[in-house]
Amino acid sequence: GAGVSQSPSNKVTEKGKDVELRCDPISGHTALYWYRQSLGQGLEFLIYFQGNSAPDKSGLPSDRFSAERTGGSVSTLTIQRTQQEDSAVYLCASSLQGAPEEQYFGPGTRLTVT
Amino acid sequence: ILNVEQSPQSLHVQEGDSTNFTCSFPSSNFYALHWYRWETAKSPEALFVMTLNGDEKKKGRISATLNTKEGYSYLYIKGSQPEDSATYLCAPNAGGTSYGKLTFGQGTILTVHP
Repeated sequence: GAGVSQSPSNKVTEKGKDVELRCDPISGHTALYWYRQSLGQGLEFLIYFQGNSAPDKSGLPSDRFSAERTGGSVSTLTIQRTQQEDSAVYLCASSLQGAPEEQYFGPGTRLTVT
Repeated sequence: ILNVEQSPQSLHVQEGDSTNFTCSFPSSNFYALHWYRWETAKSPEALFVMTLNGDEKKKGRISATLNTKEGYSYLYIKGSQPEDSATYLCAPNAGGTSYGKLTFGQGTILTVHP
């Protein structure tokens, strides 16, 4: 079946612009996660959605970052007023029932802020 | 914030060699420990999710053990093959309100030479 998909695969934006990154999880997966990997850094947790529960936003680095998940499926990560330090690969993952199940990762979106 | 350490940072082995890596994590408030393999230009792929002290899991030539009391996990690869070349990541889940959040280590980069 179809895996996790993300779009766009690459995004180049100017500093100060807003960007939206999209994630389509595996159909039927109730949990969805966002991570990022900055150059030379490890994978960093951003946010976790589980069913209808309030999301765990504890990893969002600043209030310029927000995410929503509509209808329990597609998720959008929005970065407002992008900064150069936001340049990273943004990965989305989903799992069937939520923690601690194994997560299925998408191919990522490479964001470059110039 | 969980302090997750993986060692060694990188490893070069010959085809056919067996090898192992270590993941250390705080033993308090443990919920689960994940291992992922991340090949270049691909998405991270789940290997194991382990929850119980003394757990041993196996998938083909790869196996893992877990010691939650002392806070470490070992990943073993028997008879390494070039296709095993990848970054191997461990990530514990803490309990409580952070149970959905994975904290990834920096990874062990394995290169298997033919």
